[in-house]
Amino acid sequence: GAGVSQSPRYKVAKRGQDVALRCDPISGHVSLFWYQQALGQGPEFLTYFQNEAQLDKSGLPSDRFFAERPEGSVSTLKIQRTQQEDSAVYLCASSPLLQAYEQYFGPGTRLTVT
Amino acid sequence: AQSVTQLDSHVSVSEGTPVLLRCNYSSSYSPSLFWYVQHPNKGLQLLLKYTSAATLVKGINGFEAEFKKSETSFHLTKPSAHMSDAAEYFCVVSDGEDSSYKLIFGSGTRLLVRP
Repeated sequence: GAGVSQSPRYKVAKRGQDVALRCDPISGHVSLFWYQQALGQGPEFLTYFQNEAQLDKSGLPSDRFFAERPEGSVSTLKIQRTQQEDSAVYLCASSPLLQAYEQYFGPGTRLTVT
Repeated sequence: AQSVTQLDSHVSVSEGTPVLLRCNYSSSYSPSLFWYVQHPNKGLQLLLKYTSAATLVKGINGFEAEFKKSETSFHLTKPSAHMSDAAEYFCVVSDGEDSSYKLIFGSGTRLLVRP
């Protein structure tokens, strides 16, 4: 079956632009997660959704970062007024379980801010 | 706070020889530990997991890991490397009983397999 998909796969933004990154989780998965992976580092947790509810956003680095999942399926991570330090791969993961550590990851969106 | 340390940023082995990727963890409770693999342009894939059952855990593609509480280690091994094993490997701990969904990744070990 289809896995987690993310779009676009690559995004180049000029500093100060807003960007929106999309995640399509596996159908029926109630949990959805976003991670940020800087070059040469492991992924770092950003936020967690259970259906449409954002239960944990403790990892979002600043108020420029905003995530939503309005209908409990597709999610969008939005970054306003992008900065160079936002350059990273943004990973989305989903799980059929609540608060689950078993997560299925998408291929990521590589964001480059110039 | 929970954390993991991957002791080698790069490991190079010859095809057919054993693989050892080292990981030490720090946890204030009995942890859940994982190894994930990341191939270029592909999503992270779960190799294996330890969740307080058997200390020797077998995963996919012939990998296994042993949880050693006395050494706070969770090293990943494979008896014989294959070219297709070349990838980035991450040791991961879940954050805690109240936020077990929050995965904490090590910095990764890049495995190179020489023909």
